[in-house]
Amino acid sequence: NAGVTQTPKFQVLKTGQSMTLQCAQDMNHEYMSWYRQDPGMGLRLIHYSVGAGITDQGEVPNGYNVSRSTTEDFPLRLLSAAPSQTSVYFCASSYGTLYTEAFFGQGTRLTVV
Amino acid sequence: KQEVTQIPAALSVPEGENLVLNCSFTDSAIYNLQWFRQDPGKGLTSLLLIQSSQREQTSGRLNASLDKSSGRSTLYIAASQPGDSATYLCAVNSADKLIFGTGTRLQVFP
Repeated sequence: NAGVTQTPKFQVLKTGQSMTLQCAQDMNHEYMSWYRQDPGMGLRLIHYSVGAGITDQGEVPNGYNVSRSTTEDFPLRLLSAAPSQTSVYFCASSYGTLYTEAFFGQGTRLTVV
Repeated sequence: KQEVTQIPAALSVPEGENLVLNCSFTDSAIYNLQWFRQDPGKGLTSLLLIQSSQREQTSGRLNASLDKSSGRSTLYIAASQPGDSATYLCAVNSADKLIFGTGTRLQVFP
């Protein structure tokens, strides 16, 4: 099984550029989420989705958009990249939210210059 | 607001030692708690999941306990090995969100 797949693994953007981080899972999981990981701050939730067509904001949603048109895919869009968005981004999925474990992708390391 | 704290932030031990990593959380209204391992430059790997109704879970040399009323969990690693070197993260599942601690960076030297 592929599990949770994130692309790209590395990306360098210039300030003001936009891009989409891709996340796909092949486990038929309902719940998907995006986190960013910064030194000394742990993982912080950006956006999450409890199923196709449903998304909600996490702790740090500003500057990011998401959509969930299919169960498998949950892309994260940076609208106008800023240096403060330099981080490692992780996508996660789980079958549900209440009683099941979360599976994580390998991450996307983003640098905004 | 749920906050998760992990102590210590870093730990360096000789091979063979038994060790305990601590995780505390401020709001006891959780669905479950999960321990993860993260190797440098990699994603997170789930180690143990404890439901709110459970007291502990075991997997091989790992044992995790949960005291929901006091807002604490511990991860016990028996007979540590150099291959256990990694960052260990705990996360509580609270209101459809996983809230993470900042992790304990463990180094086990031969």
